[in-house]
Amino acid sequence: DQQVKQNSPSLSVQEGRISILNCDYTNSMFDYFLWYKKYPAEGPTFLISISSIKDKNEDGRFTVFLNKSAKHLSLHIVPSQPGDSAVYFCAASGPSSGTYKYIFGTGTRLKVLA
Amino acid sequence: SQTIHQWPATLVQPVGSPLSLECTVEGTSNPNLYWYRQAAGRGLQLLFYSVGIGQISSEVPQNLSASRPQDRQFILSSKKLLLSDSGFYLCALKKGSPLHFGNGTRLTVT
Repeated sequence: DQQVKQNSPSLSVQEGRISILNCDYTNSMFDYFLWYKKYPAEGPTFLISISSIKDKNEDGRFTVFLNKSAKHLSLHIVPSQPGDSAVYFCAASGPSSGTYKYIFGTGTRLKVLA
Repeated sequence: SQTIHQWPATLVQPVGSPLSLECTVEGTSNPNLYWYRQAAGRGLQLLFYSVGIGQISSEVPQNLSASRPQDRQFILSSKKLLLSDSGFYLCALKKGSPLHFGNGTRLTVT
């Protein structure tokens, strides 16, 4: 049972444009959401997070939006840069997943074209 | 700052051989520790997590086991590897901040 889903395995965007990565979850008890970025042969690095009490969190070029009613979150990268090319994972946590567990999606490979 | 050491970076093992991957952390004490696996075409699958010495929770029944003999040491083991054990194994810690990952071990079972 995939509780966190990233339905787009890949995305290509022109440099300077907006990249929008999407993530859906099934469990309404999740209350904390994160985005990670991963380069090949490296561990994922934390990008940005959002608590369920908010619907938006912004950090520089990265903004995460949360729509609790739709059980959907998205990561916006503006403007996109070639160095943003990587695999992006969303993750969720909450009482339903256990205090200590983060459930990850399958990832979206972003390619930013110069 | 919190640092995670994983070794080796790459490993090629024959089917049926044993496995031991070690993860050690620095810069923190009593962290929660995790083993994740990224298999080809799949996301990050949580395998084990530990909230303290000797405390291991298993998420997916499989051919692997984990141990935490010391506060900052987390070991992933197998007695007999299967082809399906191939993947990218990541150790992670959590102490206050979001999950922080090591650089992983690429395991290929042949």
